[in-house]
Amino acid sequence: EAQVTQNPRYLITVTGKKLTVTCSQNMNHEYMSWYRQDPGLGLRQIYYSMNVEVTDKGDVPEGYKVSRKEKRNFPLILESPSPNQTSLYFCASSLRGDSNQPQHFGDGTRLSIL
Amino acid sequence: GDSVTQMEGPVTLSEEAFLTINCTYTATGYPSLFWYVQYPGEGLQLLLKATKADDKGSNKGFEATYRKETTSFHLEKGSVQVSDSAVYFCALSEYFGNEKLTFGTGTRLTIIP
Repeated sequence: EAQVTQNPRYLITVTGKKLTVTCSQNMNHEYMSWYRQDPGLGLRQIYYSMNVEVTDKGDVPEGYKVSRKEKRNFPLILESPSPNQTSLYFCASSLRGDSNQPQHFGDGTRLSIL
Repeated sequence: GDSVTQMEGPVTLSEEAFLTINCTYTATGYPSLFWYVQYPGEGLQLLLKATKADDKGSNKGFEATYRKETTSFHLEKGSVQVSDSAVYFCALSEYFGNEKLTFGTGTRLTIIP
């Protein structure tokens, strides 16, 4: 089954404690992306990757890092989480080079930073 | 920059009512337009799309027509069901080296039996 898998689904942690949210897709997609969803703001792009070892900032990259060492994986790293990063996070993937392609989303990771 | 303005929610309707959720957009060029749906506890799923002016996207009884002259992509369904209760997002994508989706704020729809 084609899917995007995120882990963990839920996490409560404290300010400053480094955390990683994993994302894996099994569709051989080149393009992967992270979004955060906040009430009244919709989804906003954090980082994206066009292929292995190619990453770039989205609209709200501050406080986040990513890496793309393998095609299927695109982890999101919060080096020193802060309360304003409390949000619902989604990973997405698609074929690249064509804005007509639908993006496939994971089920989301709800992070609470205390 | 690109933006999407979506009808404010929440929207509550009775089963079998007619649904319209308004969506207008601002874009630099000729974007592709999408409606995504989010069921409780799940990620977003593509509901329908349209890639050029006057295209009509349709799926599961939902329809939306790409209107370039009014920069709109309103979602409609003739007879809603309880199972349609979800959050609906209008989105656009323009390819500038990034297949980024620009989303509206979402509209929560609740259907009452």
